Amino acid sequence: DIQMTQSPSSLSASVGDGVTITCRASQSITTYLNWYQQKPGKAPKLLIYAVSSLESEVPSRFSGSGSGTDFTLTISSLQPEDFAIYYCQQSYSVPPTFGGGTKVEIK
Amino acid sequence: EVHLVESGGGWVQPGGSLRLSCEASGFTFSTSSMNWVRQAPGKGLEWVSYITGSSTTIFYADSVKGRFTISRDNAKNSLYLHMDSLRVEDTAVYYCARDPGWLQPSNFDFRGQGTLVTVSS
Repeated sequence: DIQMTQSPSSLSASVGDGVTITCRASQSITTYLNWYQQKPGKAPKLLIYAVSSLESEVPSRFSGSGSGTDFTLTISSLQPEDFAIYYCQQSYSVPPTFGGGTKVEIK
Repeated sequence: EVHLVESGGGWVQPGGSLRLSCEASGFTFSTSSMNWVRQAPGKGLEWVSYITGSSTTIFYADSVKGRFTISRDNAKNSLYLHMDSLRVEDTAVYYCARDPGWLQPSNFDFRGQGTLVTVSS
């Protein structure tokens, strides 16, 4: 199975800050990388698929980049509604696997 | 609007069985691949199973293979997960998710609230 490692596991930031979350795959997954946001008590929400394609209605302050084994999710200017847990997920091979998550907290 | 409503969760003893359901609306269910994804309390996400629209392709996580069975009834716009030989480690919120992938799991469109399965003696 492909292992997905996210860093950091948590971070504190203020509204308006820029934030970058990293996701590393244990082998090349080319561009088969997706990102999700999950708020407490809610189902995850797909934010970005295929590294950098924004799901409909996702604000443009979210962006993704990378290829091969190293990927990033960037939030250009944190908004109050962005405080949540973010997960990466590879869809290169079965089983699809998730990173351990990055909790974005309010400083 | 896409809606997924999971149901069927509850408390069960180790070794017991349970059947989860997911009722879909707002999209063409019969041509959509679907998944079950679970989340243990306070933990991350774990993919469980995948099925194509025609049920011709099915995949399972190794952790549930031989114990869980995914199925669907396109006439009822419903997805199912039959779980046998349940273990304490199967305790989780189970989500169904729509998938654009035609051949294998791709990405997951979660539109429900999930259903909690608790396995405990």
